[in-house]
Amino acid sequence: GAGVSQTPSNKVTEKGKYVELRCDPISGHTALYWYRQSLGQGPEFLIYFQGTGAADDSGLPNDRFFAVRPEGSVSTLKIQRTERGDSAVYLCASSSPGYNEQFFGPGTRLTVL
Amino acid sequence: GQQLNQSPQSMFIQEGEDVSMNCTSSSIFNTWLWYKQDPGEGPVLLIALYKAGELTSNGRLTAQFGITRKDSFLNISASIPSDVGIYFCAGAGQGAQKLVFGQGTRLTINP
Repeated sequence: GAGVSQTPSNKVTEKGKYVELRCDPISGHTALYWYRQSLGQGPEFLIYFQGTGAADDSGLPNDRFFAVRPEGSVSTLKIQRTERGDSAVYLCASSSPGYNEQFFGPGTRLTVL
Repeated sequence: GQQLNQSPQSMFIQEGEDVSMNCTSSSIFNTWLWYKQDPGEGPVLLIALYKAGELTSNGRLTAQFGITRKDSFLNISASIPSDVGIYFCAGAGQGAQKLVFGQGTRLTINP
């Protein structure tokens, strides 16, 4: 079956621009997660959705970061006024209700010049 | 952010050797997961552990959930070239869905 998909696979932008990263979870997975992975590090949690609502957004670094999941399926991570320090791989994962087994997509590599 | 302490950071072994790596935390976790990540790809789930003391196998991989709930181990037996990659441990606390990850163990195999 289809896994988690993320688009685009790569995004290059200039400092100060706005970007949107998309995640399409595994069908039937009600939980969706965003993580950020810097070079040589493990993924770091950003936000978790249960259905349409953000159940835990404690990992968002500041108010330039925002995520939505309006219909409980596809999610979009939005970053305003991008900074060079935002450069990283942004990973999306999904899981079945009641399970912590999270399945990851291939990630979006964001480069802010 | 909070991370687990994973060791070793890197390993260089001969094909056919067994591999051991571990992960420790100052906090108690209720779930331990082990992932493998290849370059340019997302982490792939290898093993999930849900009970203290649990020992679970997946082919040549064996992982254990430590009795104290503060550590976990992953063993790979008879390594093969496709085992090359970065292995991450991840834990989730009581009532938490978010995963906390270790820094990774980079495995390199000499043929």
